[in-house]
Amino acid sequence: EAEVAQSPRYKITEKSQAVAFWCDPISGHATLYWYRQILGQGPELLVQFQDESVVDDSQLPKDRFSAERLKGVDSTLKIQPAELGDSAMYLCASSSGLGETQYFGPGTRLLVL
Amino acid sequence: GDSVTQMEGPVTLSEEACLTINCTYTATGYPSLFWYVQYPGEGLQLLLKATKADDKGSNKGFEATYRKETTSFHLEKGSVQVSDSAVYFCALPYSGGGADGLTFGKGTHLIIQP
Repeated sequence: EAEVAQSPRYKITEKSQAVAFWCDPISGHATLYWYRQILGQGPELLVQFQDESVVDDSQLPKDRFSAERLKGVDSTLKIQPAELGDSAMYLCASSSGLGETQYFGPGTRLLVL
Repeated sequence: GDSVTQMEGPVTLSEEACLTINCTYTATGYPSLFWYVQYPGEGLQLLLKATKADDKGSNKGFEATYRKETTSFHLEKGSVQVSDSAVYFCALPYSGGGADGLTFGKGTHLIIQP
């Protein structure tokens, strides 16, 4: 069964450093989402792509976060510089189109020291 | 914006007990409603969904009925198993911008003891 791949699974970094997370959606899925899940909370949508275009990034802290999906396939989420409050699980999901079921990857757990 | 509220956990039950996890929503109109489950070490998976009022979603012995009168979508199972231990999230469509992502509740951690 096809799955959403994410790497790394775990990342420890120091405050003020740059970090990047990678997501490879299910093949053929045009819609890709990045969520942040703080411990004890539900996931929060950060950004959504349709192919290579951003559909919504209103909840992405743009002073330090950036996301891209240059060829409309895999995607990278970057944080620069990282802050202590960025410690969380970063989840990627994909779907075959708007309104279709979202399939989630295993996530990248980030710890900022 | 639209939101969901679900009962706090952890919820600890014995195997074969009945389960209810409460979820209420606040929304404009009648959005689709979802339950997702997160097993230890795994990504979220869609458990069930309902797309309109009075619909019942079901999967793996779990059920939830979309009740607009009480703005609720409670998750139920008649006899839980140890393998049901996981975190359960109630969700509805994100109401900001043009995105069709999801807005999740805080999650309910379910622990089933043998």
